[in-house]
Amino acid sequence: EDKVVQSPLSLVVHEGDTVTLNCSYEVTNFRSLLWYKQEKKAPTFLFMLTSSGIEKKSGRLSSILDKKELFSILNITATQTGDSAIYLCAGNAGGTSYGKLTFGQGTILTVHP
Amino acid sequence: GAVVSQHPSWVICKSGTSVKIECRSLDFQATTMFWYRQFPKQSLMLMATSNEGSKATYEQGVEKDKFLINHASLTLSTLTVTSAHPEDSSFYICSARDATPSNMNTEAFFGQGTRLTVV
Repeated sequence: EDKVVQSPLSLVVHEGDTVTLNCSYEVTNFRSLLWYKQEKKAPTFLFMLTSSGIEKKSGRLSSILDKKELFSILNITATQTGDSAIYLCAGNAGGTSYGKLTFGQGTILTVHP
Repeated sequence: GAVVSQHPSWVICKSGTSVKIECRSLDFQATTMFWYRQFPKQSLMLMATSNEGSKATYEQGVEKDKFLINHASLTLSTLTVTSAHPEDSSFYICSARDATPSNMNTEAFFGQGTRLTVV
């Protein structure tokens, strides 16, 4: 059975801090790992990672995948209160299961002013 | 970017009634759509995979007779919660995969979600 585990489950920081969110996965026929940000409604896409060691960046957010260790991290630098959300990572299987995501429990990030 | 529209965004229904939720891909064809459920403070759990023109594939523990899925066209999948009970109250989200070969390596696109409350 596919499994995705995130840590920490919750994190409280102050504005300006840097945070690192962790995601480990066990996905049969693994194709990619995705990160999402969820505020009040549906998740919004952040990154899709398919290759090991290649960092993806978008503003203050960056993410990298280690396919040997089955691990990914999401970094947020200079955090802002608007970064407060649940961050979800999900493993995406390939083949006929492509698009079927197995989600981790999520990390609840709270950024205080 | 690709858009998936889910309707309604929230619904309140009486126990014993049925509720239909629609998931549409607005600017791409989706041969496969996925339905997820999210309980408060929990992550998304896959309920079923909806395949255009064929029967849906349900995850273990999900009652197919209770959660009816119809994927009659390449842009529309529906989830009907039949004889709803308070324990069915949850956040239901669909996602769609772009079937266009050149877009096969893109992420799954999510609908806005439907908050179902059964009273």
